[in-house]
Amino acid sequence: DAGVIQSPRHEVTEMGQEVTLRCKPISGHDYLFWYRQTMMRGLELLIYFNNNVPIDDSGMPEDRFSAKMPNASFSTLKIQPSEPRDSAVYFCASSFREGHHEQYFGPGTRLTVT
Amino acid sequence: AQKVTQAQTEISVVEKEDVTLDCVYETRDTTYYLFWYKQPPSGELVFLIRRNSFDEQNEISGRYSWNFQKSTSSFNFTITASQVVDSAVYFCALRANFGNEKLTFGTGTRLTIIP
Repeated sequence: DAGVIQSPRHEVTEMGQEVTLRCKPISGHDYLFWYRQTMMRGLELLIYFNNNVPIDDSGMPEDRFSAKMPNASFSTLKIQPSEPRDSAVYFCASSFREGHHEQYFGPGTRLTVT
Repeated sequence: AQKVTQAQTEISVVEKEDVTLDCVYETRDTTYYLFWYKQPPSGELVFLIRRNSFDEQNEISGRYSWNFQKSTSSFNFTITASQVVDSAVYFCALRANFGNEKLTFGTGTRLTIIP
């Protein structure tokens, strides 16, 4: 089975531009998570969805960040406008409630904002 | 609130040596899950193991073993006969407060196996 798929794998953009990161969870999983990883702050949970509904977005840093999950197989994380301090690796993960809740991570998107 | 502490920031050992990575957790919940993840140099996060709070049996998988002790709130990870491919950052994580799917991660331990 395919794992969690993220695109793009690398993104370089200029400050002020809009950035959209994409994620396809593992088929059948009903939870989807967005994380950010930096050297300074480690792994941070930004938001998670259950059955396409946002459950906890308390980790979203500010209004410049937004996430959507229009259907069970697709989610986006958008940053508008982007800033250099947004540079990080963004991971998407999914899990299955009827399993044991371990989260499976995608390969990540390395975002660089210049 | 939940907290996971991985006091060892970096560890280096010579290949074939055994190495133990420490994980100490804090939670007020009586039911919780503990996890270990591996992040190799390629960057992806790989799930290694899940342990339930009501199951204190130790687990062995090949060269990997895990020691869960509720009395000391620890969930340590031992690699026996280490190999260069074990070089990675290892994260311990906690899920408690059932009804909430959040994982609380430790800061990770960078393990370097010297050939």
